[in-house]
Amino acid sequence: DVKVTQSSRYLVKRTGEKVFLECVQDMDHENMFWYRQDPGLGLRLIYFSYDVKMKEKGDIPEGYSVSREKKERFSLILESASTNQTSMYLCASSSGWGDEQFFGPGTRLTVL
Amino acid sequence: AQKVTQAQTEISVVEKEDVTLDCVYETRDTTYYLFWYKQPPSGELVFLIRRNSFDEQNEISGRYSWNFQKSTSSFNFTITASQVVDSAVYFCALNDMRFGAGTRLTVKP
Repeated sequence: DVKVTQSSRYLVKRTGEKVFLECVQDMDHENMFWYRQDPGLGLRLIYFSYDVKMKEKGDIPEGYSVSREKKERFSLILESASTNQTSMYLCASSSGWGDEQFFGPGTRLTVL
Repeated sequence: AQKVTQAQTEISVVEKEDVTLDCVYETRDTTYYLFWYKQPPSGELVFLIRRNSFDEQNEISGRYSWNFQKSTSSFNFTITASQVVDSAVYFCALNDMRFGAGTRLTVKP
């Protein structure tokens, strides 16, 4: 059974903390994505990666960075968390452009 | 610029009714892919269908059907004889990374 896993379902952090969200896929997929989901806005792409050590900015990269040191793992980093980063974060992977994406269960992050 | 519009924010129907979820997209690409995903209350998005820009044939899968019309840049999704288990948020997407805002469908018994 193919899987995308995310390190936490729920996370509560304080303003200014450095936050790491981890995503792991077991499908040997080339592409990995980080989205945030907010009511009324749908899914917005933060960053994506099409290969190890490669990354591309999405629509809303400000305040975020990413790391992909291994093919199966894609990490999202909030350098200094702020309250406006309170959201649901979704990780996804796909085998190539135009292929279906497989999503993780999401991490609901609350920044106080 | 690429854009996906799902004008229906929320739809509520009674079980066994048919319901159509609208999706309108914008792109200048000649080759592109369109998707529908379902997000049930449990939260995990699930892939439903993919269509490429060269295939305008309608698709039917059980109670689900999709109507792709390039002339109107639309890729609408119809659920026939809806069931309570169809209650979810449905997202239309263009290529890998452009999602609509989603339509929340509630099917009441």
